[in-house]
Amino acid sequence: EVQLVESGGGLVQPGGSLKLSCATSGFTFSDSTMHWVRQASGKGLEWVGRIRSKPNSYPTIYAASVNGRFTISRDDSTNTAYLQMNSLKTEDTAIYYCRVEDTIKKLDSWGQGTLVTVSS
Amino acid sequence: QAVVTQEPSLTVSPGGTVTLTCGSSTGAVTSGHYPYWFQQKPGQAPRTLIYDATKKHSWTPARFSGSLFGGKAALTLSGAQPEDEADYYCLFFYSAVRVFGGGTKLTVL
Repeated sequence: EVQLVESGGGLVQPGGSLKLSCATSGFTFSDSTMHWVRQASGKGLEWVGRIRSKPNSYPTIYAASVNGRFTISRDDSTNTAYLQMNSLKTEDTAIYYCRVEDTIKKLDSWGQGTLVTVSS
Repeated sequence: QAVVTQEPSLTVSPGGTVTLTCGSSTGAVTSGHYPYWFQQKPGQAPRTLIYDATKKHSWTPARFSGSLFGGKAALTLSGAQPEDEADYYCLFFYSAVRVFGGGTKLTVL
């Protein structure tokens, strides 16, 4: 069974940093592209960014709203993806989801999300 | 950044058919935008229904289908069930960047 479990959310002050984790199991993590998506309360989904797999040289790309502040990384030895968030703003307050995508293997699954609140 | 536009809300009768659409501010939607469709019910994480415009996952109910029509991506629900009441989001590729639509709240009533 494919599982993705996010952790690391919490309350942080504006300008602060937070690192989210996405622990995975049930699929070949090292072959898969990992995405982060967020959703502010009562709002729609917003794509944050993604990291591809080692054979693709781990390229990352980000939404304009987080580019330069957020960094996605991965540890294939522990099957975990990360989202490092720096210079946080109040508008970054949201539930953050990780998602795995591999269209060749028809793999697509979401975690349950972790809440990040940026407030003084 | 491109803007992806969806109907804010739609209503369908039980057993009826409804089509949700997604347009792009950059012009006609094509297969090169690799359209995705996601379903999200209240208090739950999203789940992926359609990818590459028309392809279904094993868990996608047969009553859902995706297409490209009239310069837009479309999600058609044929034979709506009460459990289909949810928010639906599309997503497009713009080179490597992805952009979600604002979502459609579908009511089955």
